[in-house]
Amino acid sequence: GAVVSQHPSRVICKSGTSVKIECRSLDFQATTMFWYRQFPKQSLMLMATSNEGSKATYEQGVEKDKFLINHASLTLSTLTVTSAHPEDSSFYICSALQGRETQYFGPGTRLLVL
Amino acid sequence: DAKTTQPPSMDCAEGRAANLPCNHSTISGNEYVYWYRQIHSQGPQYIIHGLKNNETNEMASLIITEDRKSSTLILPHATLRDTAVYYCIALGPSGSRLTFGEGTQLTVNP
Repeated sequence: GAVVSQHPSRVICKSGTSVKIECRSLDFQATTMFWYRQFPKQSLMLMATSNEGSKATYEQGVEKDKFLINHASLTLSTLTVTSAHPEDSSFYICSALQGRETQYFGPGTRLLVL
Repeated sequence: DAKTTQPPSMDCAEGRAANLPCNHSTISGNEYVYWYRQIHSQGPQYIIHGLKNNETNEMASLIITEDRKSSTLILPHATLRDTAVYYCIALGPSGSRLTFGEGTQLTVNP
């Protein structure tokens, strides 16, 4: 299957700082990538849809100014959590759409904000 | 996209077949049935998807009823590494927003 990577795999930061998470499709090009968030013992929640060369589409309740998404190339999307707070601590997972049908997921990034 | 219903948990003995059911009674004619699984603290892994016909790949088989109101994911010889939460998702051809429900926690026991 297609391979999607994320970096870093885990990050600890101080409250008020910004954190950037990278998502790469390694063996295919993806015009569309997605960002999810997962809190402990809960299911994945879609945060936003990232389209190469255009603005991301955010789900209801997700602050676009806090979660900045950039999809500058067909293999890379980045999520920046700005002015992170402890309540932003979560498991962030990206996925990339191969063709028109199947999403492949990255391994996830665990963020802990102190 | 149609809502899906799965049992919250299932157990299976190692080496036996694991049959995971999914109900999608309101699925429309052009919606696919997708299966993903998530092993603890990892990103979801794509398993298989289908529209009408049964599908098989190296990981699993997908059996879809003739009326398409339900389906079953079959892991033919479950191993301990198959312990995970399995998600069944209905998705239209032009849609790409996966909506994850609670899934089924499959525990494979030695």
